[in-house]
Amino acid sequence: QVQLKESGPGLVQPSETLSLTCTVSGFSLTSNSVHWVRQPPGKGLEWMGIIRSGGSTDYNSALKSRLSISRDTSKSQVFLKMNSLQTEDTAIYYCTRSGFDYWGQGVMVTVSS
Amino acid sequence: DVVLTQTPVSLLISLGGQASISCRSSQSLVHSNGNTYLHWYLQKPGQSPQLLIYQVSNRFSGIPDRFSGSGSGTDFTLKISRVEPEDLGVYYCLQRTHNPPTFGGGTKLELK
Repeated sequence: QVQLKESGPGLVQPSETLSLTCTVSGFSLTSNSVHWVRQPPGKGLEWMGIIRSGGSTDYNSALKSRLSISRDTSKSQVFLKMNSLQTEDTAIYYCTRSGFDYWGQGVMVTVSS
Repeated sequence: DVVLTQTPVSLLISLGGQASISCRSSQSLVHSNGNTYLHWYLQKPGQSPQLLIYQVSNRFSGIPDRFSGSGSGTDFTLKISRVEPEDLGVYYCLQRTHNPPTFGGGTKLELK
């Protein structure tokens, strides 16, 4: 069945770079896009970006200068890298498939010294 | 960007009762291909959002018929009939007709 699972460090220092991995199963990255969505504690959902089935990317304009999404199709993995982290980047980070139909469990990232 | 406004922000409902949530868009969500990409989600405490309704009125796999979606253009509604304890949480609408995809602010469904 379709599954997505995020992984990465739970704590990141301010001004450092966040690196997250989304490992998928039950579908192919060459046939489906993957989005990243985040949710600050107690707040709503924010779309961050997408990597499409063909490998092209698109980003939230507010994050574009700091964000990069890539993938390794042989490993069924999608990567998120975001630099210059600040406390307001503290959030649960989710990956989700093409139509936002299946979501990972999310990974909590805290930005703190 | 498209702004989705959900009302009410919170809803107190008795078990077995009916809930109605509105999602209004700042522009039409009809895509150039004729489809309307407005979806509804439930986020239970401590969980990721789960898809309930896609493209306005289609129930996702395994979603009971107590959940129904309707609407067109800029105005959309999610109805939950015969509310059960597992229906509690925060409901979100999402549009992906226009880029970037955007979410409504959420409606918290609680028991009266």
